[in-house]
Amino acid sequence: EVQLVQSGAEVKKPGESLKITCQGFGNTFTAAWIAWVRQMPGKGLEWMGIIYPGDSDTRYNPSFQGQVTISVDKSISAVYLQWSRLKASDTAMYYCAIGGLNWLAPWGQGTQVTVSS
Amino acid sequence: DIVMTQSPATLSVSPGEGATLSCRASQTVTSSLAWYQQKPGQAPRLLMYGASTRATGTPARFSGSGSGTDFTLTISSLHSEDFAVYFCQQYKSWPLTFGQGTRLEIK
Repeated sequence: EVQLVQSGAEVKKPGESLKITCQGFGNTFTAAWIAWVRQMPGKGLEWMGIIYPGDSDTRYNPSFQGQVTISVDKSISAVYLQWSRLKASDTAMYYCAIGGLNWLAPWGQGTQVTVSS
Repeated sequence: DIVMTQSPATLSVSPGEGATLSCRASQTVTSSLAWYQQKPGQAPRLLMYGASTRATGTPARFSGSGSGTDFTLTISSLHSEDFAVYFCQQYKSWPLTFGQGTRLEIK
């Protein structure tokens, strides 16, 4: 089974760029969709988008299209979530998880992103 | 988008008692429904998929039912470790969507 380990917490200023990482460990990484999920403080879960590491096929929730970029480096089993210009409203916990078109399991431990001037 | 509505928002139950959590979809999702448990400071964990199939490691005291638009997660006898937030999620159509969660707290 693939295990996912995410990069550490980030504190950024509005307008800055950021790329966070989800590292996969296990021999089925390239054969499974990876999803990114946002959880804003005290709120529910939002499906942002998914990527298939095998061929980099990427699909976005229309609510997040153009706001973030999901990419992969399958040579090192890493999936990325990137912002070019952060906003305060991007402050949230971000999770990666295995699964794209159905349920999600397992999940990474989460990366807290704080955007504040 | 399919809107998932969970009720109640908070449920207070004593250990050893049972609990019933509800999830309603704004349109049919057939049986394409999953349940997750999230404890403070932790990532969500898959409990159930296909509306009624327990994920690996989910105790038998958890059961799921329903199809179409109305779903239920039942916990037969609450253990201390079951007090958490529970989310439902539909995967019938894109974008996949979650309910807002039910907080199960100790009474």
